[in-house]
Amino acid sequence: NAGVMQNPRHLVRRRGQEARLRCSPMKGHSHVYWYRQLPEEGLKFMVYLQKENIIDESGMPKERFSAEFPKEGPSILRIQQVVRGDSAAYFCASSPPGSRNTGELFFGEGSRLTVL
Amino acid sequence: GDSVTQMEGPVTLSEEAFLTINCTYTATGYPSLFWYVQYPGEGLQLLLKATKADDKGSNKGFEATYRKETTSFHLEKGSVQVSDSAVYFCALSGPNTGNQFYFGTGTSLTVIP
Repeated sequence: NAGVMQNPRHLVRRRGQEARLRCSPMKGHSHVYWYRQLPEEGLKFMVYLQKENIIDESGMPKERFSAEFPKEGPSILRIQQVVRGDSAAYFCASSPPGSRNTGELFFGEGSRLTVL
Repeated sequence: GDSVTQMEGPVTLSEEAFLTINCTYTATGYPSLFWYVQYPGEGLQLLLKATKADDKGSNKGFEATYRKETTSFHLEKGSVQVSDSAVYFCALSGPNTGNQFYFGTGTSLTVIP
């Protein structure tokens, strides 16, 4: 059973370009979370999604950032017009729905974005 | 709102030393408490958890006890190894958090031979 898959693992963008980060949750998981980890800082919640729904986006910057989790395909975190301050590791995590939820999050290995 | 506060690092210990990383929480209701570990260059993975008061989670020689009276979930290990060098995150989640997980800021541990 494959774990949470994130790609790309490393992404380099120039200021003003767009970054798209993908996350395929574990099989059977319908909840996806995105977190950002800045150098020397902790893990910051960004957004929590279920299939076709954004449940909580209170951690997402209001501009340039968006996330989706379509009925088919991976979850996508999109950053438009990237700036140097967006350089970070972005982690995706998933969990199963309802009664199968043991309260554990399963994390991917992260996507490391570098903005030049 | 719900939150987790953990001891700031970095922490540097010699091999076989005793480890304690403090974690306290604020929550409505009765959340589950977790410790996650992040090894260099990797994602987080669950180390241990406790789902109710007085439960003790344990794994790989690490232990933490859910203390409702002190709202704490301190991580301990009696004898650390070099391979334990990592960043440790305390977290909580529960029925009152809407499946949301709240993480502490992480504590970096370096174990030297």
